[in-house]
Amino acid sequence: NAGVMQNPRHLVRRRGQEARLRCSPMKGHSHVYWYRQLPEEGLKFMVYLQKENIIDESGMPKERFSAEFPKEGPSILRIQQVVRGDSAAYFCASSPPFGTGVNTGELFFGEGSRLTVL
Amino acid sequence: TQLLEQSPQFLSIQEGENLTVYCNSSSVFSSLQWYRQEPGEGPVLLVTVVTGGEVKKLKRLTFQFGDARKDSSLHITAAQPGDTGLYLCAGADRGSTLGRLYFGRGTQLTVWP
Repeated sequence: NAGVMQNPRHLVRRRGQEARLRCSPMKGHSHVYWYRQLPEEGLKFMVYLQKENIIDESGMPKERFSAEFPKEGPSILRIQQVVRGDSAAYFCASSPPFGTGVNTGELFFGEGSRLTVL
Repeated sequence: TQLLEQSPQFLSIQEGENLTVYCNSSSVFSSLQWYRQEPGEGPVLLVTVVTGGEVKKLKRLTFQFGDARKDSSLHITAAQPGDTGLYLCAGADRGSTLGRLYFGRGTQLTVWP
């Protein structure tokens, strides 16, 4: 059973370019979360999605950032017009559906995508 | 904003020593999780504690959740080089979205052979 898959593992962009980060949750998991880890800081929640729905995006910067989890395919975190301050590790996590007796509130994290903005 | 303070920030010890790291907050959490993260990897869950005063053991690791559910500690007995890593605590707030965790900055543990 494959874990949470993220790609690319490393991404380098110049200021003003777009960054797209992809995440495939664990098999059977219907909830996807994106977290950002800035240098010298803890992980910060960005957004929580279910298939075709954004449930909570209160941690997302108001501009340039967007996320989606389409019916088919991976979840995508998109950053437009990147700036140096966007350089960070972006982690995706997934969890099983709630109310099934399987979900205990635990998150399963991918290995992260490390974005460097030059 | 829920804040979790972890201490110490860095800890460097010799193999065989015991250690305790702390996770403190002024906020009450419905549950608290401990993760370990290695360089270039994502966090891996070690344990979840839910009940105030709860103690859980995982081999040489002992986790405790404070009675008031505001703090937690991780004690490692006879540390080994394989225990090296960044230890993160993360709290879940009953009033927040399920799966939204508030992370501390972590304790970077290095165990020398």
